[in-house]
Amino acid sequence: DTGVSQNPRHKITKRGQNVTFRCDPISEHNRLYWYRQTLGQGPEFLTYFQNEAQLEKSRLLSDRFSAERPKGSFSTLEIQRTEQGDSAMYLCASSSTAAWVFEQYFGPGTRLTVT
Amino acid sequence: AQRVTQPEKLLSVFKGAPVELKCNYSYSGSPELFWYVQYSRQRLQLLLRHISRESIKGFTADLNKGETSFHLKKPFAQEEDSAMYYCALDSGGSNYKLTFGKGTLLTVNP
Repeated sequence: DTGVSQNPRHKITKRGQNVTFRCDPISEHNRLYWYRQTLGQGPEFLTYFQNEAQLEKSRLLSDRFSAERPKGSFSTLEIQRTEQGDSAMYLCASSSTAAWVFEQYFGPGTRLTVT
Repeated sequence: AQRVTQPEKLLSVFKGAPVELKCNYSYSGSPELFWYVQYSRQRLQLLLRHISRESIKGFTADLNKGETSFHLKKPFAQEEDSAMYYCALDSGGSNYKLTFGKGTLLTVNP
């Protein structure tokens, strides 16, 4: 297991286009999180899943954003009608509720540039 | 609402000098605090958590509830400690979302 993976690593899109990112968590992890990180800021929580259920969404997640985890394994984050303000690094993390200590393992991120 | 403040964006020290990265938080409950580190071209990774009271790579951090602080300390900095450090809070042990500070870029000069 190579850890959390994210694809693509970089995405350049034009304003108004839709984009979709994928996250593959560590295989035995039942929790999956999405964060967004802009320049000079720490990661900001967007949403999280436990198995296939989306349990919380941040107010940062506008109606143009949607996330899914259909089989409780990989997850996708879709942004519709992208805006320049969506340009950021999108981070995925996973964790296990079975672990006796809490730790989120992060992926390398997908860097989105909206032109 | 919870908040994590890291007052220094940049911190530069010489090799062998002590280093302290500051972190203050605001949260009304009993938080769990963490330090995450991101080395150049690597992903974000956990450095240490307050509940474990551990020392990792010579770093320690003590939770001071009176001062609402969780400063990261190392007595003798090494060049390989150069990285971005983020303090993070998990509100009340709910084990789901982390609130991060803006980070401090530590540079250890030879």
